[in-house]
Amino acid sequence: QSALTQPASLSGSPGQSITISCTGTISDVGGYNLVSWYQQYPGNAPKVMIYEVNKRPSGVSNRFSGSKSGNTASMTISGLQAEDEADYYCCSYASGVTYVFGTGTKVTVL
Amino acid sequence: QEQLVQSGAGVKKPGASVTVSCTASGYIFSTYYLHWVRQAPGQGLEWLGAIDPSDGATYYAQNFQGRVTMTRDTLTSTVYMDLSSLTSDDTAVYYCAREPRSTSYFDTWGQGIQVTVSS
Repeated sequence: QSALTQPASLSGSPGQSITISCTGTISDVGGYNLVSWYQQYPGNAPKVMIYEVNKRPSGVSNRFSGSKSGNTASMTISGLQAEDEADYYCCSYASGVTYVFGTGTKVTVL
Repeated sequence: QEQLVQSGAGVKKPGASVTVSCTASGYIFSTYYLHWVRQAPGQGLEWLGAIDPSDGATYYAQNFQGRVTMTRDTLTSTVYMDLSSLTSDDTAVYYCAREPRSTSYFDTWGQGIQVTVSS
């Protein structure tokens, strides 16, 4: 199972919006509405931000939103804030009861 | 509170095996799947596999089939991950993570354990 493809880095100014893409195949992203997104600060464990493509866990800011089209999922961060500077990973359920993560995106707030 | 606390690991020699444990507390152990995810230095996240604590059923990533074994102890609410035939490529932080049943996402993570493979 190959890792899902994400842009290595994205940046934006405070208040702007950025969208992180996550491209897979019909065997993972395209085949199931089971994409989740994780935020990770250096030295810390990941934290779920989005699950089942577009659902937000309790306590996660509504500035984070998710969507999917075909084999590509996306997560948008609106109203970018300094605290959003972190690494972000997508993850998808895949056929055969497996999971695959994305390559990761480093978000920088300018 | 609901949490996962990891222990074990450290420095291992090439060819050796390592065991990492993950003890759950604050919730009913059998009602969530437990997964193992690792992160090599400066790299991304990699899924190793999962175990269903209710019956011990396991699901392993193809890349680790034959080299990884996951077990559980329901009396202590602990899951174990054994990885054998270690190489330097296995140097990573190993996390356990909890999945609410039938949701396919990880809502709670352990603190992570560093495993270093070095001669």
